[in-house]
Amino acid sequence: QSALTQPPSASGSPGQSVTISCTGTSSDIGGYNYVSWYQQYPGKAPKLMISEVTKRPSGVPDRFSGSKSGNTASLTVSGLQAEDEADYYCSSYAGSKNVIFGGGTKLTVL
Amino acid sequence: EVQLLESGGGLIQPGGSLRLSCAASGFTFRNYAMTWVRQAPGKGLEWVSGISGSGDTTDSADSVKGRFTISRDNSKNTLYLQMNTLRADDTAIYYCAKGLKWFDPWGQGTLVTVSS
Repeated sequence: QSALTQPPSASGSPGQSVTISCTGTSSDIGGYNYVSWYQQYPGKAPKLMISEVTKRPSGVPDRFSGSKSGNTASLTVSGLQAEDEADYYCSSYAGSKNVIFGGGTKLTVL
Repeated sequence: EVQLLESGGGLIQPGGSLRLSCAASGFTFRNYAMTWVRQAPGKGLEWVSGISGSGDTTDSADSVKGRFTISRDNSKNTLYLQMNTLRADDTAIYYCAKGLKWFDPWGQGTLVTVSS
């Protein structure tokens, strides 16, 4: 199964909003409401930011939000802060207990 | 606090075997599915293998099927990944994570380097 498609990079100035897209197929994103997003700092383990398309775990700022339309999911970071600069990965359940990831997006805060 | 601590990584020659462990604490281990995810140097995340809470259901990525085996010992709160016939492209940080469809939290990872 091919990886989900994410833009390699995204950027925004402090206080702005930025949206990262994640495109799959009807066999993964379009077929299940199990899209999740992970934040990863260099040299660190990934951290769950969004699960089940829109759910934010306890402790994740409400500046982070998720959505889905058809085969494309999105992560929006509002009110960008310097600490949001990191790599972001989307993933989707793809049936038969398989999960696929996107290639990752490097978010730069200008 | 939920904690996952991987161990067992290291330098191994192509064709060799290695067993990774992931010690879990802070939650009722047997009630949760667990997953291994890897990340090659400078690359993205790749799902490797998942296992149900009871251990009776497993699945693996095509890239490791037939070579890697996921298992768990619920009496020891420990997850395992037996890796056989290792190849250079298996070189990666291997993370264990709680969950099957999404992963939270992740361990700190253990580095596996396959090289002669």
